[in-house]
Parts: sequence; structure tokens; C-alpha cells
Amino acid sequence: GQNIDQPTEMTATEGAIVQINCTYQTSGFNGLFWYQQHAAEAPTFLSYNVLDGLEEKGRFSSFLSRSKGYSYLLLKELQMKDSASYLCASLDSNYQLIWGAGTKLIIKP
Amino acid sequence: DAMVIQNPRYQVTQFGKPVTLSCSQTLNHNVMYWYQQKSSQAPKLLFHYYDKDFNNEADTPDNFQSRRPNTSFCFLDIRSPGLGDAAMYLCATRPTPLSYNEQFFGPGTRLTVL
Repeated sequence: GQNIDQPTEMTATEGAIVQINCTYQTSGFNGLFWYQQHAAEAPTFLSYNVLDGLEEKGRFSSFLSRSKGYSYLLLKELQMKDSASYLCASLDSNYQLIWGAGTKLIIKP
Repeated sequence: DAMVIQNPRYQVTQFGKPVTLSCSQTLNHNVMYWYQQKSSQAPKLLFHYYDKDFNNEADTPDNFQSRRPNTSFCFLDIRSPGLGDAAMYLCATRPTPLSYNEQFFGPGTRLTVL
């Protein structure tokens, strides 16, 4: 079956660093997406990885290990506006997104 | 700016009363998706279009129907909403079906069923 696992909730402090992990098992693999979703809003695209390694984009970085079926999203210099849910999604062999339930990130001052 | 638009943003309907949600896009994307998302859950794909080709997910209830009259517009019809259909409905687009591009989402329509 197809499965995406990520923690339900995480808490971090403003200015700190947080890593949100995601493991995936999908039929075929064409890359891994991370989306940010603020409460009652639509998901917005953060990153896409298809090759192993780290992709850095400002304060956000995303890592992929295809052999381990593992990805993480790294957020640096956390700001209060980063409080949101972070959804991991794998692009399967049919180019359909298989979504995780999201990790709710709570930032404390 | 090119975008995905959903109307209305908030919809209240009564149990059993048909409702239609709309989505339009100015991106000229080939693929359009409808998702249902309940609180703290993953978006659940209901159906998608590759151009005019309609693709229904196996577990999408018959109560949900869709129309895509042209490239720009797509509609979600819920024929007899039940309390369990209260959710956020998200429309998304992608340029082509077999691509690595991200999906672009509209702001969503939050449906309340009384």
C-alpha cells in the first residue's frame, strides 16, 4: 500500500531550528514535495526533491534519501508566521500526489 | 496575476440540499483536481481532469459529481450533502499530467452542512 508518515505536531521556539521528518512508501516515486498550510487556507508549495541530497531555499531546506524512503524539511531562524501545518507528499508512478496528514508546527516566543 | 480562484470561500447548505462549488484558473493548465480536506487530515483526492478526460477516484462517493465545461472552469456538485461532507474543498491545477511540476491551489471553499 501507499503510506506517508510524519509527526502530528511539533513545538519550537522563535529563532530556533526545527526539522520535520517524513517517511514514504509509494508505488513508484517521482519526487517528494513539501507544502505549507496555514489554518483554514490552501497549501502553498515549498520545495520539490527528486535527487538525493539537500536543497536550500532561504530559511527552508529540504532533504531526500531515496534509498531510505525519507525526507525532512529544515526550518531555520523560526518566525511566528511559520506556525502552520507542513505537508509531505510523494509523487507516485502515475504522477499523482500521495499526501501525508501534515505536521502542525507551533512556534512559541 | 495568474491564479486559481474558488467561489464561494464559505458555503452553508442544509442536509440533503444540492450545492455546487466552482473553480476557475487563469494559468491555462491542462490538469485540474478536486480535493476534500477535513481538519488535521491529508487532502483526499476526489477526482481530476486531464484536459476533458475525467478520472474518478475509486472511493469517491456517487454523491459527488464534477463538470469541466472548458479549460478554465471546473465545478464540484454535491447532490445530497450529508453532515460528513462538511470539509474544506480544494481545487488545484498542474500544467501537464506527466510532469514534476507542483500543484497550484485555490484558496478553498469551506462547506458547512446544517
